[in-house]
Amino acid sequence: GNSVTQMEGPVTLSEEAFLTINCTYTATGYPSLFWYVQYPGEGLQLLLKATKADDKGSNKGFEATYRKETTSFHLEKGSVQVSDSAVYFCALILNTGGFKTIFGAGTRLFVKA
Amino acid sequence: DVKVTQSSRYLVKRTGEKVFLECVQDMDHENMFWYRQDPGLGLRLIYFSYDVKMKEKGDIPEGYSVSREKKERFSLILESASTNQTSMYLCASSFPERSYNEQFFGPGTRLTVL
Repeated sequence: GNSVTQMEGPVTLSEEAFLTINCTYTATGYPSLFWYVQYPGEGLQLLLKATKADDKGSNKGFEATYRKETTSFHLEKGSVQVSDSAVYFCALILNTGGFKTIFGAGTRLFVKA
Repeated sequence: DVKVTQSSRYLVKRTGEKVFLECVQDMDHENMFWYRQDPGLGLRLIYFSYDVKMKEKGDIPEGYSVSREKKERFSLILESASTNQTSMYLCASSFPERSYNEQFFGPGTRLTVL
């Protein structure tokens, strides 16, 4: 079946550290891939997306590259800030139709000053 | 600014009560979704709707029903609340068909069933 696997959290980093949150997927078709972020007390919001292999999504200093050969979409940021503390969700939608987004379990990030 | 609103941020109900969670979006989206969010499980789809009066079961529909009488409004109903329905409930909406379309989420309703 189709699924998304993320690294377990919480991830705790000091300010200005490098961030990687791993995400791999299993899909029968050709998915579009997303990272959503959920700040404390809020709903999810789209952080970035990539719709085909080798695409790189980027936003707010975060980046992720759609790697078809390794079925991965790892999230990276070169220098995290305290304000990046949140829960990050990797997700996919299949391009073969349908309306369902499949979410990973989420990874909580704590950034210390 | 696009918006998805949910009727309550926090709700406390008793076992056996009928519970209504309301969601309204102002983006003229065809698709609307209800998820529940539990620690370690991520988001699980309860129901979705791709048009007025249309609904489809998601991954965990048992114990829930939905209603979509108007395009902008999607209601989740717990016919007889149980303690295992204590959770965070998130509503979302999106445009149809295009698989790269993002979903827009409401702030969530944290429901506690005593």
